[in-house]
Amino acid sequence: NAGVTQTPKFQVLKTGQSMTLQCAQDMNHEYMSWYRQDPGMGLRLIHYSVGAGITDQGEVPNGYNVSRSTTEDFPLRLLSAAPSQTSVYFCASSRPQGYNSPLHFGNGTRLTVT
Amino acid sequence: DAKTTQPPSMDCAEGRAANLPCNHSTISGNEYVYWYRQIHSQGPQYIIHGLKNNETNEMASLIITEDRKSSTLILPHATLRDTAVYYCIVRVEFGDNFNKFYFGSGTKLNVKP
Repeated sequence: NAGVTQTPKFQVLKTGQSMTLQCAQDMNHEYMSWYRQDPGMGLRLIHYSVGAGITDQGEVPNGYNVSRSTTEDFPLRLLSAAPSQTSVYFCASSRPQGYNSPLHFGNGTRLTVT
Repeated sequence: DAKTTQPPSMDCAEGRAANLPCNHSTISGNEYVYWYRQIHSQGPQYIIHGLKNNETNEMASLIITEDRKSSTLILPHATLRDTAVYYCIVRVEFGDNFNKFYFGSGTKLNVKP
């Protein structure tokens, strides 16, 4: 049981480039979300999804797009990378809120934008 | 607005109990308290959660005050591998039908030999 898998582990982009961070979970969780973690700060919610075909914005959605075509996958797209997007990105999944279930996190993607 | 307040760092001797405090004075009646830890910038790892009652599992115990304004995570016999950043989190409603986990800056626990 792999849990939440994120790829790549590390990525370096130049300003203006685009890329997709991949996230997959094998726990059949309906809820998935993306967080970013900056030094000295907690995790901030970027986008989330409560099921296939449904996505919504979190606290810091600008510059990012998401889609949820399957229950398992929740990719995060950077449209035009900026140095301010240098961060560690975590994908997380959970059962719906009525289950009071914890978030399960992947091991993150470390992104540097130069 | 992280909704929780934790000391930035704490030390603990190996083999002793580690007691990590957390203040969440603005918590609402239906908001749960969760604890996670993060080792070497890996993904946060779930430890325990609770609403009103004290909770215990194989990793830790969670003590929540009667007024629910604060809680304490207890690692009964800390080991060097417990050195990590520990996050006290309040799970709140965000938008329609979604719960957001508010992560603050956490407490860096240093377990020393």
